[in-house]
Amino acid sequence: AQSVTQPDIHITVSEGASLELRCNYSYGATPYLFWYVQSPGQGLQLLLKYFSGDTLVQGIKGFEAEFKRSQSSFNLRKPSVHWSDAAEYFCAVAEYGNKLVFGAGTILRVKS
Amino acid sequence: EPEVTQTPSHQVTQMGQEVILRCVPISNHLYFYWYRQILGQKVEFLVSFYNNEISEKSEIFDDQFSVERPDGSNFTLKIRSTKLEDSAMYFCASKEDSHTDTQYFGPGTRLTVL
Repeated sequence: AQSVTQPDIHITVSEGASLELRCNYSYGATPYLFWYVQSPGQGLQLLLKYFSGDTLVQGIKGFEAEFKRSQSSFNLRKPSVHWSDAAEYFCAVAEYGNKLVFGAGTILRVKS
Repeated sequence: EPEVTQTPSHQVTQMGQEVILRCVPISNHLYFYWYRQILGQKVEFLVSFYNNEISEKSEIFDDQFSVERPDGSNFTLKIRSTKLEDSAMYFCASKEDSHTDTQYFGPGTRLTVL
């Protein structure tokens, strides 16, 4: 069965600093990978996705993620964090056509 | 931009009562999902629905749960007899067709069972 691990429960970064949120997955075939963001009291917004092709994918709000098959990772990055990026971030994997399996989430705090 | 909507945003109910959570998926989407997130825990898959029938369900989705697409726009989740442990945020999601894997989520319904 697929699984997703987000090893960091909380991360605090200073505004303007770079950010990397880690995600490792367990899946036998080529995974379909996603990052979602959830602001307090809000739903899940899709940041970016990877299906195939270029392993570096660009998303909304200046986020990018890199798929590394050898490391079973799909880490999310942003070169310069803004205070409005404070939220909870979820990595997810999907088998084609089926359910999403989510990681436990990483709460990002941004300090000014 | 089209979006998934959910009503109500917050539902409070007494244990043992029935609740119906409503969702309006994006209009041309064909696949529908319910997920839940217990406070402080990860988002969990409940059920997927396509062509007017359940295509997959999780162990959580027991006989107390049912889903329905009563008309061309709504997608509902019914919990027949709520338990305290059903308190959670329930998210509806929809997907356009079999050629895409991007699910779009609604804002959620927070269910509180007292």
